[in-house]
Amino acid sequence: NAGVTQTPKFQVLKTGQSMTLQCAQDMNHEYMSWYRQDPGMGLRLIHYSVGAGITDQGEVPNGYNVSRSTTEDFPLRLLSAAPSQTSVYFCASSTRDREKLFFGSGTQLSVL
Amino acid sequence: SQQGEEDPQALSIQEGENATMNCSYKTSINNLQWYRQNSGRGLVHLILIRSNEREKHSGRLRVTLDTSKKSSSLLITASRAADTASYFCAYSGAGSYQLTFGKGTKLSVIP
Repeated sequence: NAGVTQTPKFQVLKTGQSMTLQCAQDMNHEYMSWYRQDPGMGLRLIHYSVGAGITDQGEVPNGYNVSRSTTEDFPLRLLSAAPSQTSVYFCASSTRDREKLFFGSGTQLSVL
Repeated sequence: SQQGEEDPQALSIQEGENATMNCSYKTSINNLQWYRQNSGRGLVHLILIRSNEREKHSGRLRVTLDTSKKSSSLLITASRAADTASYFCAYSGAGSYQLTFGKGTKLSVIP
């Protein structure tokens, strides 16, 4: 099993550009989520999904969009990148009870 | 913000010593989890304690939960250099789908 796969691992954007961070899991997990990790701030929840077709906002959703058309995939879209979105992004999935999250290896994003 | 707090922010100990880190949270919870993150990598689940449990053990890990004080502690006994990592608590409020993480404790174990 691959677990949770995130691509790309690194990305540099210019202010105003858009891009999509990909996340896929092969564990048939209902729950998927996106976090950003900034120094001294821990992990903050951006968006989450409890199943295909269902998404909701977390603590810091502004500037990000998500969709969940399949159980396996949960892409995160940056609409118009800003320097404040420079961060490390993690995708995580679990069964519906959220008692054990499985994390991807992260995407390091720099916005210039 | 409902984000939890962990202390200390950083902890440096000698190999063989015990390491204790604490987590405080703000809401009623269903359970509390601890995760470990090696530098630059994704988090790995260590242990979960439910709101009706007070203590739980797993190998060299011991977790306690005090719901009256809204706090938890993680004890790593007989630490090893390989335990060097950041440790995060995470919890979900009753009725919430959001899993909130604390800010983490960075543990350094010196050989």
